[in-house]
Amino acid sequence: SAVISQKPSRDICQRGTSLTIQCQVDSQVTMMFWYRQQPGQSLTLIATANQGSEATYESGFVIDKFPISRPNLTFSTLTVSNMSPEDSSIYLCSVAAAGTGTYEQYFGPGTRLTVT
Amino acid sequence: AQRVTQPEKLLSVFKGAPVELKCNYSYSGSPELFWYVQYSRQRLQLLLRHISRESIKGFTADLNKGETSFHLKKPFAQEEDSAMYYCALAGAGSYQLTFGKGTKLSVIP
Repeated sequence: SAVISQKPSRDICQRGTSLTIQCQVDSQVTMMFWYRQQPGQSLTLIATANQGSEATYESGFVIDKFPISRPNLTFSTLTVSNMSPEDSSIYLCSVAAAGTGTYEQYFGPGTRLTVT
Repeated sequence: AQRVTQPEKLLSVFKGAPVELKCNYSYSGSPELFWYVQYSRQRLQLLLRHISRESIKGFTADLNKGETSFHLKKPFAQEEDSAMYYCALAGAGSYQLTFGKGTKLSVIP
């Protein structure tokens, strides 16, 4: 399984500002994803980070609010833009390796964001 | 649309008692089902997947297509099993996971 790190692990931000979260994987992976876990809720997929092209967003999430970069097969960033208290969540990145015959994912430790 | 339902938000059992965490799904094709676990202060990690039919830490889960269920079972609960458990579904040929809301298992000593 891949080893995934995220930075920062937590942050407290003021409304109206933006925060960029980094996800680093110790090996090249095909698929990278970003999830949000709001307090007391389950994980919701925000988008699939595509290497070399625009991310694929799920319903309810837009690029202007959550711009994503994936410059190579081991790194991705998620930016939470123009934050409001409703953006307070844990943001997780996950990876999957295509061609393994299964669709399991491995998760990073998460970034706990509090917006005041 | 695919959906995963975990009807119990919290489940408390005594140590040594059997455990069953329920998971029901809605999907028109042949899904791949997973159980993920998150121990206190640890990251979310894969516990088991239906395709491998394995037993991990004494837990098993059988996919019942007739009842569209994938319940997680363990015959004798241990204190270290206390954690948050999430059932997840991947549609055929897809890497996108749909998660249930999770069940918090508390094993009472």
